[in-house]
Amino acid sequence: DQQVKQNSPSLSVQEGRISILNCDYTNSMFDYFLWYKKYPAEGPTFLISISSIKDKNEDGRFTVFLNKSAKHLSLHIVPSQPGDSAVYFCAASALSGANNLFFGTGTRLTVIP
Amino acid sequence: GAGVSQTPSNKVTEKGKYVELRCDPISGHTALYWYRQSLGQGPEFLIYFQGTGAADDSGLPNDRFFAVRPEGSVSTLKIQRTERGDSAVYLCASSLDGGTHNEQFFGPGTRLTVL
Repeated sequence: DQQVKQNSPSLSVQEGRISILNCDYTNSMFDYFLWYKKYPAEGPTFLISISSIKDKNEDGRFTVFLNKSAKHLSLHIVPSQPGDSAVYFCAASALSGANNLFFGTGTRLTVIP
Repeated sequence: GAGVSQTPSNKVTEKGKYVELRCDPISGHTALYWYRQSLGQGPEFLIYFQGTGAADDSGLPNDRFFAVRPEGSVSTLKIQRTERGDSAVYLCASSLDGGTHNEQFFGPGTRLTVL
């Protein structure tokens, strides 16, 4: 049973425009959410995170928004750059649970120059 | 600065064989995780070590899978009697300690192919 879902397997965006990647979760015990970026033949690398006590976290061009009532989060990349082209994974963890991360299936972002 | 390393990068084996996959975590990281990523899926948790002990092995799919971390550093994931369905990328990650919300740093993975 997939507890973290990314329903868009791919997304194409023009360079300079905004990229919006979406993620939904089902487990109300999740209280910490992360986005990882993955290039081919490399492991996922941490990008940005948000705690459930916040609804927004910003780091440079990357902003993550959390809507707890809707069990939904999104990653905004502005402006998008060709080097942002990668697979993006949404992940979640629960304070009271084990320390493992639950991952979505990923969204492949292509930024077109 | 050395990140998490995994060897081999690729492993091809025949159905029924035994394989070992190695993970070298970042020096000083006490927490170590194994994940498995099948084609088209996100990483799925297998096992978590805090120091030398397996603090949570609830993700191991069956008793053919076993992992050790005898000295609290390097870890080996062992798969007995491999099956074609075991084919996947096996990812290792480490974090400073097992505290919740500590960033997990991932290695490049070992791609296992069972023929």
